[in-house]
Amino acid sequence: DAKTTQPPSMDCAEGRAANLPCNHSTISGNEYVYWYRQIHSQGPQYIIHGLKNNETNEMASLIITEDRKSSTLILPHATLRDTAVYYCIVSSNNAGNMLTFGGGTRLMVKP
Amino acid sequence: DAGVTQSPTHLIKTRGQQVTLRCSPKSGHDTVSWYQQALGQGPQFIFQYYEEEERQRGNFPDRFSGHQFPNYSSELNVNALLLGDSALYLCASSLDNQLWGYTFGSGTRLTVV
Repeated sequence: DAKTTQPPSMDCAEGRAANLPCNHSTISGNEYVYWYRQIHSQGPQYIIHGLKNNETNEMASLIITEDRKSSTLILPHATLRDTAVYYCIVSSNNAGNMLTFGGGTRLMVKP
Repeated sequence: DAGVTQSPTHLIKTRGQQVTLRCSPKSGHDTVSWYQQALGQGPQFIFQYYEEEERQRGNFPDRFSGHQFPNYSSELNVNALLLGDSALYLCASSLDNQLWGYTFGSGTRLTVV
């Protein structure tokens, strides 16, 4: 599986958009980009995933560059409850594959 | 609909002892993966069970073993505990290998003294 690079920490003002970048320059053609987050004292939680096209759900938007070498997770209106560690993971859906977590980005949403 | 249930939530063991952690997957899920998370780090993959067989294994010694039962629940066993085994142990369930559908439990906090 390809590796990802994320900034270790970011701050965001409450109510503003949080834009979390992820570099995955060695991503393969059949590998998806997944985002999970982990709020303190809880297990990781699925946010969104995509292959090529931009994706949006009730939690966030995922913007993937045309060359697929990087992506950005966007939380449109961050709240204090969005304070968490955000993990960007790339993997194919082959049987037996698993989520491989890196260090993630610690997002602090401030009042 | 209950999510993933792990037990116990916390426990303290002595070096050299053995421990068993338990996981009940989310209803409808048939695959269970176990992760170890040391303080301040991301979860590290231990192994995955599917159809009662270990399908994948991460870089963990044989002291770590597991089992999946016909009802899809799972156990993680660690023998000859070391101080370095102190961590949060997370169980995740999914439907086969849908990586977007992993549901994690809140984990078992193991402290080895």
